[in-house]
Amino acid sequence: LAKTTQPISMDSYEGQEVNITCSHNNIATNDYITWYQQFPSQGPRFIIQGYKTKVTNEVASLFIPADRKSSTLSLPRVSLSDTAVYYCLVGDNTGFQKLVFGTGTRLLVSP
Amino acid sequence: EAGVTQFPSHSVIEKGQTVTLRCDPISGHDNLYWYRRVMGKEIKFLLHFVKESKQDESGMPNNRFLAERTGGTYSTLKVQPAELEDSGVYFCASSPRRGYVTEAFFGQGTRLTVV
Repeated sequence: LAKTTQPISMDSYEGQEVNITCSHNNIATNDYITWYQQFPSQGPRFIIQGYKTKVTNEVASLFIPADRKSSTLSLPRVSLSDTAVYYCLVGDNTGFQKLVFGTGTRLLVSP
Repeated sequence: EAGVTQFPSHSVIEKGQTVTLRCDPISGHDNLYWYRRVMGKEIKFLLHFVKESKQDESGMPNNRFLAERTGGTYSTLKVQPAELEDSGVYFCASSPRRGYVTEAFFGQGTRLTVV
């Protein structure tokens, strides 16, 4: 399973755009990139998944360069409620692949 | 639609005792996973059920842990006897049989404290 590397923590202010970059140099051809969000005292929650280029949903955007060795989760205009830990995961999407969580990025949004 | 439900939400037991955690997945989800996070560590995979069958139990730490999913519905994770190092948060997750997107739905977790 491809290993991921992300910043341990990031700070931002309300209304700003936050970009969290994840490195996954050993990503395999069949691997997808998935991001989860975790609030304190809750389980992780799926945010977005992509294979290449750009994916956008109502929560975030995911940018994946052509070599797929990294990806960037973009959160537009963050609010205090976006304070959470964000995990970047890499693996195939068969549904049979166990999720491998790294340390995640702890995002703190301040007023 | 109800999400993944876990109970109890908290459990405090003494070393040597037995504890059983329960997980009710989203109805219709064939895949059920158990994960845990021990203090200061990353969330780690424990095992994976497909319906009532164990697909992958490579993450189970030792034979003090027993997971079951009778009838392919809810699952239980029993720790017997519990040790201090078993303390942590145990998460259950479920996902549909197979889909384009690997979206696992997690419960809120059971915080287990062994004293």
